Amino acid sequence: SAVISQKPSRDICQRGTSLTIQCQVDSQVTMMFWYRQQPGQSLTLIATANQGSEATYESGFVIDKFPISRPNLTFSTLTVSNMSPEDSSIYLCSVEDKNRSGNEQFFGPGTRLTVL
Amino acid sequence: SQKIEQNSEALNIQEGKTATLTCNYTNYSPAYLQWYRQDPGRGPVFLLLIRENEKEKRKERLKVTFDTTLKQSLFHITASQPADSATYLCALDNQAGTALIFGKGTTLSVSS
Repeated sequence: SAVISQKPSRDICQRGTSLTIQCQVDSQVTMMFWYRQQPGQSLTLIATANQGSEATYESGFVIDKFPISRPNLTFSTLTVSNMSPEDSSIYLCSVEDKNRSGNEQFFGPGTRLTVL
Repeated sequence: SQKIEQNSEALNIQEGKTATLTCNYTNYSPAYLQWYRQDPGRGPVFLLLIRENEKEKRKERLKVTFDTTLKQSLFHITASQPADSATYLCALDNQAGTALIFGKGTTLSVSS
């Protein structure tokens, strides 16, 4: 199974600033995903990041607010731009392992963001 | 759009009993359904995947059923232990098969 790390693990930010979250995988993967999990809610997919192409954003999420980089097969970043208190959430990256029996995903530990 | 509902937000049971969690979905026929476990402060961990042509799948004390007619999956933990206390999420592939859609989860508490 893939081992995924995220940095930072948590942060407290001021309104109007931006935060870049890093996601590192211990193996090369094609697809990486970024999710948001707001308090008491389930995971909501923000975008899918494939190496060598533009990220694909889900409805309600735009590149200007959540720019994503995917420079290689083991790394991705998500930036939360011009933050407001409504962006306070846990942000998780995940990868898909199609080599196993199905399309299960492996998740990082998450980044807990609080916006004041 | 696809909709996923997990029967309750919280489930409390006694150690040794069987916990049964429900996941219902509408407006869609997924190719597979997955169950994840999430502990506080951690990312979800994959438990089981069941495909549309499978009725049941087992892994140690876990059992998952998939009824495509009822559009429902049941997740069972037999001989439950306090260590099983966690939030359990069901997830379906989206119609494009490119991503997962998650339910809100059921928080299971097993008391000794």
